[in-house]
Amino acid sequence: SQQGEEDPQALSIQEGENATMNCSYKTSINNLQWYRQNSGRGLVHLILIRSNEREKHSGRLRVTLDTSKKSSSLLITASRAADTASYFCATDEWVGNEKLTFGTGTRLTIIP
Amino acid sequence: DGGITQSPKYLFRKEGQNVTLSCEQNLNHDAMYWYRQDPGQGLRLIYYSQIVNDFQKGDIAEGYSVSREKKESFPLTVTSAQKNPTAFYLCASSMTRGDEQFFGPGTRLTVL
Repeated sequence: SQQGEEDPQALSIQEGENATMNCSYKTSINNLQWYRQNSGRGLVHLILIRSNEREKHSGRLRVTLDTSKKSSSLLITASRAADTASYFCATDEWVGNEKLTFGTGTRLTIIP
Repeated sequence: DGGITQSPKYLFRKEGQNVTLSCEQNLNHDAMYWYRQDPGQGLRLIYYSQIVNDFQKGDIAEGYSVSREKKESFPLTVTSAQKNPTAFYLCASSMTRGDEQFFGPGTRLTVL
């Protein structure tokens, strides 16, 4: 079953612009993670935000978490062509599941 | 180099055959996972293992089997009972549940 749902499904922007992707989920979580996948490759972990955190930064990445709305956003600033990839959120649920549940992903295309 | 490897990169199978996908990690991680990814889709969990000699079914375990005889290795067998096995298979590992996952490069399985 899918816990996280990303929005939009696809996003195209000009190089240098900022890209924002959103993730909604349904149950209480321990943490939420964002991953990137280049076409035909494995996933790469970007950032982990815990349920008691509201915002986290890593380089050009900014992640926010609103547990009252059960949603998270990933902001990539000053986008580059190399940022073209699919981005997935994954949730670690509070109880029951010993696993991450991945969303369906946002396909980001940066236009040079 | 520390990391997680999968082999082969491409695999072709005739209908009715069992095939085994290899996954090895030298990160000293306790937890390992197998995911299936279909075109344009997110990841679906097949099996996971929290510790040697123990593993649990994920969301789509039917037609698959695994073993965890060594900490470093978590092979996946796609059996003839899996009716639609053509997909991209990803193996991952993490230190423990809920931690960031490290992914292998994937195996693309095609049934002829």
